[in-house]
Amino acid sequence: ELKVEQNPLFLSMQEGKNYTIYCNYSTTSDRLYWYRQDPGKSLESLFVLLSNGAVKQEGRLMASLDTKARLSTLHITAAVHDLSATYFCAVDGSGGGADGLTFGKGTHLIIQP
Amino acid sequence: KAGVTQTPRYLIKTRGQQVTLSCSPISGHRSVSWYQQTPGQGLQFLFEYFSETQRNKGNFPGRFSGRQFSNSRSEMNVSTLELGDSALYLCASRSQTGIAYGYTFGSGTRLTVV
Repeated sequence: ELKVEQNPLFLSMQEGKNYTIYCNYSTTSDRLYWYRQDPGKSLESLFVLLSNGAVKQEGRLMASLDTKARLSTLHITAAVHDLSATYFCAVDGSGGGADGLTFGKGTHLIIQP
Repeated sequence: KAGVTQTPRYLIKTRGQQVTLSCSPISGHRSVSWYQQTPGQGLQFLFEYFSETQRNKGNFPGRFSGRQFSNSRSEMNVSTLELGDSALYLCASRSQTGIAYGYTFGSGTRLTVV
């Protein structure tokens, strides 16, 4: 059974600081996704990581994937209040996606002025 | 380009009733999957359909079922509703040829069972 663990689950930080969210998964997979969810809203796709060593950046967010370590990170640089949200990582159960996505429990991020 | 459309947005049902939720994927996407989100269990995979065939199903009881039509629209049905079925139900679509774009989620249907 594929398991996905995120940490931390809760993070309160100040604007301007840097921090990293970690996502570990238990079986071999080369497809990892990061999503953002605002309260009461749906999931917004942030990054799709498809291969070992993949690194993607969008604004103050950068995601990376190490398939050998079964680890992905989401790094936040110089946080701003607008980044406050819950962030989920998710892994495809199989290469073809037939097993659906297995999600981590999410990291609830609060960025304070 | 229209996104993933889910209807209705909100539903209130009574225990024992049944409910049908609808999902229209992005035009051209033939893969549709469903997820349940609750505060306690988080996001859990329900099932995925591709070209009208269910490809896989998550660990949910048989009260949860779904189908996909020839136009790729999908419905999920929950029979004999229980209080624990109260959740946000999310539908996602994906292009099999545009895997790099991942899954696009709809706005969800929030089901409350009373």
